[in-house]
Amino acid sequence: SQTIHQWPATLVQPVGSPLSLECTVEGTSNPNLYWYRQAAGRGLQLLFYSVGIGQISSEVPQNLSASRPQDRQFILSSKKLLLSDSGFYLCACSKGVRETQYFGPGTRLLVL
Amino acid sequence: AQRVTQPEKLLSVFKGAPVELKCNYSYSGSPELFWYVQYSRQRLQLLLRHISRESIKGFTADLNKGETSFHLKKPFAQEEDSAMYYCALTTSYGKLTFGQGTILTVHP
Repeated sequence: SQTIHQWPATLVQPVGSPLSLECTVEGTSNPNLYWYRQAAGRGLQLLFYSVGIGQISSEVPQNLSASRPQDRQFILSSKKLLLSDSGFYLCACSKGVRETQYFGPGTRLLVL
Repeated sequence: AQRVTQPEKLLSVFKGAPVELKCNYSYSGSPELFWYVQYSRQRLQLLLRHISRESIKGFTADLNKGETSFHLKKPFAQEEDSAMYYCALTTSYGKLTFGQGTILTVHP
């Protein structure tokens, strides 16, 4: 079965600094990949999803971007972090549309 | 656009009592509904999906298209059921829309 790794587990960054969060998947090929954010007191919000290498769809206009350089690697980036980027970021994968999604352990980001 | 509403942010029950976590959705097409759960210090994971029509850990959820609801129920709550529960909806594109989540606490 698939396993999702995320790193780092926690990150404290100053406002204006760049960001790179990494997600890798084991145990499956050609998965759909997703980035979610959970802000304090709010539910999970889908940020980006990808159905293949180099294919990225953005759900919410924001200060972040995503890339998928390899089949099982999904990266969340920012050139300049904002305070509002603080939150808990989850990576997920699924075998196809409408299939169960499997989640990584998450990265907690605090922007000061 | 699709939306999922979980009206209760917090829900507390005593062990052995029935529990119902409410979920309502809005979507013009044919949705697929899920319940995900996150236990303390564990990853978010699937609890059940409506298409399976199965009971997991004693929990059941019935899709009511007339009321656009997918409430999660368990007749006798256990302490180990304490967790954060998310109702979620997926469309034909496979994008999950989550509710705000309900924190269930089961007291001994």
